[in-house]
Amino acid sequence: AQSVTQLGSHVSVSEGALVLLRCNYSSSVPPYLFWYVQYPNQGLQLLLKYTTGATLVKGINGFEAEFKKSETSFHLTKPSAHMSDAAEYFCAVTPSGGYQKVTFGTGTKLQVIP
Amino acid sequence: EAGVAQSPRYKIIEKRQSVAFWCNPISGHATLYWYQQILGQGPKLLIQFQNNGVVDDSQLPKDRFSAERLKGVDSTLKIQPAKLEDSAVYLCASVLAGERYEQFFGPGTRLTVL
Repeated sequence: AQSVTQLGSHVSVSEGALVLLRCNYSSSVPPYLFWYVQYPNQGLQLLLKYTTGATLVKGINGFEAEFKKSETSFHLTKPSAHMSDAAEYFCAVTPSGGYQKVTFGTGTKLQVIP
Repeated sequence: EAGVAQSPRYKIIEKRQSVAFWCNPISGHATLYWYQQILGQGPKLLIQFQNNGVVDDSQLPKDRFSAERLKGVDSTLKIQPAKLEDSAVYLCASVLAGERYEQFFGPGTRLTVL
């Protein structure tokens, strides 16, 4: 079984400041990890994913995340927040290999203060 | 490329009534998911279809929820009878065969049960 913990249901940053959204996972086998973004009244959109290879993954809109196996973490970062980044962000995990469902975290709502 | 379509976008019903949601996935996407997203939580998988066959419905409350995907394209999710705790956003997602990790989500149907 796998699970995801997102620390902080709400995060506020000033425009131009660093964005850091935390995600820790639990998986009995090597995981595949994802970050999705959800804007109000819209579905989820994939920001980035880690499957194999380089542990630093770059996504859309200037976001990136680093897979740290020793810390079982996959934190999402962006050097400089923009007003348009205000949204809810979901971390998700699925075990690698074979069919397994994707398990989502409870989400972190990002507020960007002008 | 057209995205995943869902209708209706909003639905308000009284408890014990029935309701149905419709999803049209991206053309060519063999895999289709229905998720339930309760306010403040991440999406929870209800059912997964591969073409018109069910792959995983372990979290579908089968006493009141049903889903079908006729001809392996459109899908319908039904709740009969609805309970107050069914109030949520119902998300449909689809995946291109062989790319199961990149799910494309529709905008969702927001259900309110009074």
